[in-house]
Amino acid sequence: GQQVMQIPQYQHVQEGEDFTTYCNSSTTLSNIQWYKQRPGGHPVFLIQLVKSGEVKKQKRLTFQFGEAKKNSSLHITATQTTDVGTYFCAGKRANDYKLSFGAGTTVTVRA
Amino acid sequence: GAVVSQHPSWVICKSGTSVKIECRSLDFQATTMFWYRQFPKQSLMLMATSNEGSKATYEQGVEKDKFLINHASLTLSTLTVTSAHPEDSSFYICSASHAGGVSRADTQYFGPGTRLTVL
Repeated sequence: GQQVMQIPQYQHVQEGEDFTTYCNSSTTLSNIQWYKQRPGGHPVFLIQLVKSGEVKKQKRLTFQFGEAKKNSSLHITATQTTDVGTYFCAGKRANDYKLSFGAGTTVTVRA
Repeated sequence: GAVVSQHPSWVICKSGTSVKIECRSLDFQATTMFWYRQFPKQSLMLMATSNEGSKATYEQGVEKDKFLINHASLTLSTLTVTSAHPEDSSFYICSASHAGGVSRADTQYFGPGTRLTVL
């Protein structure tokens, strides 16, 4: 079945630094979605990427979808304490209603 | 828009009892709702897909007789954990899609989750 691998599992970042989390799918995706889950909270939708090579930005967050639509990345610049949480990617295949979630990248920030 | 609620937000029950969790889409109609389970420090695992007016589709390894799902209307799905045991303790999260969930543009909106503790 479809698997979505996400690395790294943990990311400890100095405040102000940048970091990137990566997702790779074993199959071609129709779209990929990113979610953020704060400690003790539930996943909150961040963005959806649909087109091959698509790049979207949300303030300090940059999301990319690979040309082959099998991988994606989330890059955060100038990390802040508000960025703490677990970031999940979730891939969807064409004609499939299900999302396959990556393992998540848990981000902690040291001031 | 696209708000999903869950009730209760947490529940503690004795082993052997049944627990019902409700998932509601508050400002949109959800033909399809999804039920996930998340253990501490782990990712979301899809348990089943709930379709309004039809039987739920369960993922491999999920016991349909233990986790009863009812999608009675376009805004409500319920998950009942029957004869709960301590190993069923987990964070149960539902999500809902606007349409049938088969469009590639559909987004899932998640409820706040229900933390179940079985003693």
